Amino acid sequence: DTAVSQTPKYLVTQMGNDKSIKCEQNLGHDTMYWYKQDSKKFLKIMFSYNNKELIINETVPNRFSPKSPDKAHLNLHINSLELGDSAVYFCAASGPGSYEQYFGPGTRLTVT
Amino acid sequence: AQRVTQPEKLLSVFKGAPVELKCNYSYSGSPELFWYVQYSRQRLQLLLRHISRESIKGFTADLNKGETSFHLKKPFAQEEDSAMYYCALSGQGAQKLVFGQGTRLTINP
Repeated sequence: DTAVSQTPKYLVTQMGNDKSIKCEQNLGHDTMYWYKQDSKKFLKIMFSYNNKELIINETVPNRFSPKSPDKAHLNLHINSLELGDSAVYFCAASGPGSYEQYFGPGTRLTVT
Repeated sequence: AQRVTQPEKLLSVFKGAPVELKCNYSYSGSPELFWYVQYSRQRLQLLLRHISRESIKGFTADLNKGETSFHLKKPFAQEEDSAMYYCALSGQGAQKLVFGQGTRLTINP
């Protein structure tokens, strides 16, 4: 069973469009995250949710809006996509008191 | 501010040779340090954490608070060690990881 899953795996879209990436975890963990990996492979946190509440927002543009309908899901919606949004987006989950994070397979977003 | 630096973007060694991936950090408190690995076409996964002080797949890493370093070492590299390695830090009470830039390790036969 896949612990953290993301859909879609690949997403190609044009500038100005709005798109969503979905993340689901079956670990029963309370905390979920979104990371962005740029073309130089640099990984940077974007958001963190604990039990459906936003706890970390790392100066990400307002065009990015995470949504957590329940503890097992953390979706990422991006409005008015820009070329610079092209990256691999990783979802992750961690349990209470644990700093180990379990990562999803990533979603490669290409904005043309 | 929390910062993790991996000075080598690329590292190439021969099979059987020792390997050391460097990691330096900046944090005013007591950090938790980790090494994550991403093999080709696989997801990012935890390799080891300083608090457990264990050896995983022959790799060890010692936290040196004086030098603010957490270098990853293996005495005899194997071809299957080829991957992208990330050093990461988590501060006290924080639930986020700050990653270094990553080091791509290539083991030559």
